[in-house]
Amino acid sequence: AQTVTQSQPEMSVQEAETVTLSCTYDTSENNYYLFWYKQPPSRQMILVIRQEAYKQQNATENRFSVNFQKAAKSFSLKISDSQLGDTAMYFCAFTPPWEGGSEKLVFGKGTKLTVNP
Amino acid sequence: NAGVTQTPKFRVLKTGQSMTLLCAQDMNHEYMYWYRQDPGMGLRLIHYSVGEGTTAKGEVPDGYNVSRLKKQNFLLGLESAAPSQTSVYFCASSDPRHRDTEAFFGQGTRLTVV
Repeated sequence: AQTVTQSQPEMSVQEAETVTLSCTYDTSENNYYLFWYKQPPSRQMILVIRQEAYKQQNATENRFSVNFQKAAKSFSLKISDSQLGDTAMYFCAFTPPWEGGSEKLVFGKGTKLTVNP
Repeated sequence: NAGVTQTPKFRVLKTGQSMTLLCAQDMNHEYMYWYRQDPGMGLRLIHYSVGEGTTAKGEVPDGYNVSRLKKQNFLLGLESAAPSQTSVYFCASSDPRHRDTEAFFGQGTRLTVV
């Protein structure tokens, strides 16, 4: 079974600094998609960034970037210039290959990030 | 743009009561999902649907039933609620033609079973 592991249950960072959240996953497949979702206290799940496994170039979205290491099955999220609004739960997620016509996200357990003023 | 709307947002049930959670999406997505979120467990898939009239079991289906009579709606039912079903429930939808696009989530339903 595919699994996603986030080894840091909680992290904190000072405003304006940089923080990296870790994620590893387990799969024997070669093509898949990886995502980071943000869940602020409002509970809304918000997509932060996505990465296609067949693309070697790391994805970036403004202050958010990933370090995708396919051989190591690692997908870390770097947040630069942290802002108070970045305080949230962050979930790493993985889309397994096509399974009988269905597809679904597999989530890690999340990392609670607190940005301190 | 409403996106994915869940009804209700909060509910308290007594053990043994039944209820139905409604999920509605206006994006014409084929795929819809129900997840539950528990502290320290992330999101786990309960049931999903790949189209109108179809449903399938996810990782934690026991104690739940679902129906997809209309493409835009996906209902999650609890026939006899148990305290172990206290959780936050999320509905999501996605377009299977674009696997790299995000799943769109509803706002969640906080359910407490006492």
